[in-house]
Amino acid sequence: GDSVTQMEGPVTLSEEAFLTINCTYTATGYPSLFWYVQYPGEGLQLLLKATKADDKGSNKGFEATYRKETTSFHLEKGSVQVSDSAVYFCALKGNTPLVFGKGTRLSVIA
Amino acid sequence: SAVISQKPSRDICQRGTSLTIQCQVDSQVTMMFWYRQQPGQSLTLIATANQGSEATYESGFVIDKFPISRPNLTFSTLTVSNMSPEDSSIYLCSVGGLAGDKITYNEQFFGPGTRLTVL
Repeated sequence: GDSVTQMEGPVTLSEEAFLTINCTYTATGYPSLFWYVQYPGEGLQLLLKATKADDKGSNKGFEATYRKETTSFHLEKGSVQVSDSAVYFCALKGNTPLVFGKGTRLSVIA
Repeated sequence: SAVISQKPSRDICQRGTSLTIQCQVDSQVTMMFWYRQQPGQSLTLIATANQGSEATYESGFVIDKFPISRPNLTFSTLTVSNMSPEDSSIYLCSVGGLAGDKITYNEQFFGPGTRLTVL
């Protein structure tokens, strides 16, 4: 079945550092890909998405590009802030409900 | 995105009891789902709530333990029955499907979750 693998955390970065969280997927067909974010004590929010190969999703300075050849959807941000501290989930949606990766906890220190 | 509310937001329950969680959406949606997030873990799909028919459960989840209702296109309930401490989790309602121009087919949005602690 469909599955998502993302890098294990936790990840600790200093403010203004570059962030990459790796995500790869296995799926039949052509799924849509998503990044969700969960801030401490809050629910899940959609951060960005891409629906077809070579699409780039972006939001709040975060970007991810749908790479069909490498089955990847890595999340990047050029300069992280303390307020970006959260758990980030990579997810895919094919013909089934969303399938999530295990989540990566990011802590940004000032 | 659609506005999704859940009640209660949190509860502490005794083992052997049951809790019903409500999910309300501000617009009609085709699909409603229930997920569980155990402490420090990712989200696991419990079931798809089908309007007017029995829910579709994922492997490892059964109707007797997690009965679900969906009487219309904006509301669903999940009951956690005969609870044990292992049921302590966050339970999240999620919606997707066409609803005017608020939700596209491929997107899912999540409610704020219900944090359940079983003693």
